[in-house]
Amino acid sequence: GNSVTQMEGPVTLSEEAFLTINCTYTATGYPSLFWYVQYPGEGLQLLLKATKADDKGSNKGFEATYRKETTSFHLEKGSVQVSDSAVYFCALSSSGGYNKLIFGAGTRLAVHP
Amino acid sequence: GAVVSQHPSWVICKSGTSVKIECRSLDFQATTMFWYRQFPKQSLMLMATSNEGSKATYEQGVEKDKFLINHASLTLSTLTVTSAHPEDSSFYICSARPSGNTGELFFGEGSRLTVL
Repeated sequence: GNSVTQMEGPVTLSEEAFLTINCTYTATGYPSLFWYVQYPGEGLQLLLKATKADDKGSNKGFEATYRKETTSFHLEKGSVQVSDSAVYFCALSSSGGYNKLIFGAGTRLAVHP
Repeated sequence: GAVVSQHPSWVICKSGTSVKIECRSLDFQATTMFWYRQFPKQSLMLMATSNEGSKATYEQGVEKDKFLINHASLTLSTLTVTSAHPEDSSFYICSARPSGNTGELFFGEGSRLTVL
């Protein structure tokens, strides 16, 4: 069945460091891929998405490229800030929309000054 | 942006009792809401799809008599964990999609249930 695997956290970085959070998926067909972020005490928020191979989603300095050949959707940011500290979830939707999202386990990021 | 609120944020109950968790869309109407469950260090697992005015659609392996879902209005869905047991302790999260919109989901902040 469909599944999402994320790197285990926590990830601890200093401010302005480069961030990569790995995400790989298993799915039939051509799923849509998402990154969600959950800040402390808040609900999950959509960070970025990509709906087809080679698409790059980007938002707030974060980027992820839909790589079908490696079934990956790694999240990157060139220079993290303390305010980026949160839990990041990779997800896929095999229906192509937002129904029945399948999530990874989440990766906690802690950024220190 | 659209806001979804869950209540309570956390609840502790005794084994055998029932607990109700509310999910409200505060500034939009939601024909469809989704309920998820998350165990520590594991993925969010979709439990059921809640449709306003009709019965919920449960995912395989989820006991519908154990997890009662009611979506009586366009802004409120409730999840009732009946006869709760310690293994029901978990983090429950809801999401909602604005009516007429096939796009983005908006998530609540989650409700942590601890059954003693």
